[in-house]
Amino acid sequence: AQSVTQLDSHVSVSEGTPVLLRCNYSSSYSPSLFWYVQHPNKGLQLLLKYTSAATLVKGINGFEAEFKKSETSFHLTKPSAHMSDAAEYFCVVSVPGGSQGNLIFGKGTKLSVKP
Amino acid sequence: EAQVTQNPRYLITVTGKKLTVTCSQNMNHEYMSWYRQDPGLGLRQIYYSMNVEVTDKGDVPEGYKVSRKEKRNFPLILESPSPNQTSLYFCASSQRAGANVLTFGAGSRLTVL
Repeated sequence: AQSVTQLDSHVSVSEGTPVLLRCNYSSSYSPSLFWYVQHPNKGLQLLLKYTSAATLVKGINGFEAEFKKSETSFHLTKPSAHMSDAAEYFCVVSVPGGSQGNLIFGKGTKLSVKP
Repeated sequence: EAQVTQNPRYLITVTGKKLTVTCSQNMNHEYMSWYRQDPGLGLRQIYYSMNVEVTDKGDVPEGYKVSRKEKRNFPLILESPSPNQTSLYFCASSQRAGANVLTFGAGSRLTVL
């Protein structure tokens, strides 16, 4: 069965330090993978997506993620956190024929950024 | 502007009083979906629609109904709301199901007393 696991429910970093949000997936197929961000009181917005092209994917606002098939991971990183990065982040996997209209959401990681 | 519009954004109602949350998209998308978001549970899919007149259950469909009579609209109906349906609801659409990017509405916060 397909699944996605975000390994941390809450991550706290200081402004200017690196960000790492971890995501592991389980899939019998070659998946497409996404990261979405949700700022307080807003809907979700796409950060980046992987669809079997380059394994290192660059997104908006300086975020990037690397697809590692051997580790079944798609971790999200940013070299230097900014206060505006404080939000909740969702890892999403899309597989053909999945029961959820093909999309499976992780439970989310809340990122806090300290001044 | 390409967008998904949900209404109402906020609603407080009482148990048993039927309500409808509307969702409309202006991008000619085939795929539309409803999610509820609860603390610690992330987003859970309620219903989705692959195209007009085609709807299917997601993970948590109990207590909800949907219809897709036109491509742009996908209303969520709570026939007899209960307090456990207090939640934040999101409508989303994409060109088609699968690897397409979802565009989300701003959310509808529903409280059932």
